[in-house]
Amino acid sequence: GAVVSQHPSWVICKSGTSVKIECRSLDFQATTMFWYRQFPKQSLMLMATSNEGSKATYEQGVEKDKFLINHASLTLSTLTVTSAHPEDSSFYICSARGETVEGNYGYTFGSGTRLTVV
Amino acid sequence: DAKTTQPPSMDCAEGRAANLPCNHSTISGNEYVYWYRQIHSQGPQYIIHGLKNNETNEMASLIITEDRKSSTLILPHATLRDTAVYYCIVRASYDKVIFGPGTSLSVIP
Repeated sequence: GAVVSQHPSWVICKSGTSVKIECRSLDFQATTMFWYRQFPKQSLMLMATSNEGSKATYEQGVEKDKFLINHASLTLSTLTVTSAHPEDSSFYICSARGETVEGNYGYTFGSGTRLTVV
Repeated sequence: DAKTTQPPSMDCAEGRAANLPCNHSTISGNEYVYWYRQIHSQGPQYIIHGLKNNETNEMASLIITEDRKSSTLILPHATLRDTAVYYCIVRASYDKVIFGPGTSLSVIP
């Protein structure tokens, strides 16, 4: 089945630095990828939609200059948290959308990245 | 906005069937019912989806009412590893996935 690899699985960084998270679709081409964040005991919140070769679309309230998304190829999207602060500490999850044999659009999720900003 | 309503939590005895309900009274004709689950500190995992017919796979069964306004996910023989948050999501095939609060299922020994 479809597999999405997310790296790193956890990262600790100092306040003010930037952190990059990678999301790769391993065995299918994903023209569209999604980025979510999840705080403890809460549900996943969609941050942005990234389309290969074009600018990402951000959900209301998400700062595009803080959360930089690049979708340079059909198998790779990256999320960079710039000038990280402790309040950016969260669980970040990516998802890739690929067309199934049946013609539906299946969504596969990465395993998530735990970001801790100290 | 999430288009579904689920109970916040449920318990189930190990080995028994877990029946998780979901209300989606405003579902449109082109929208599917999807179920995902999230085990603690992992990414969501696809379970099953359906349009109007009941569906079964190796993980679960999905029962959709005739008017499509509600559905039930059935885990036939719950194990401790089924403890997770279960999300019922209604969306058209191409739509992005928007998560609601889900149901926290605890399987009890």
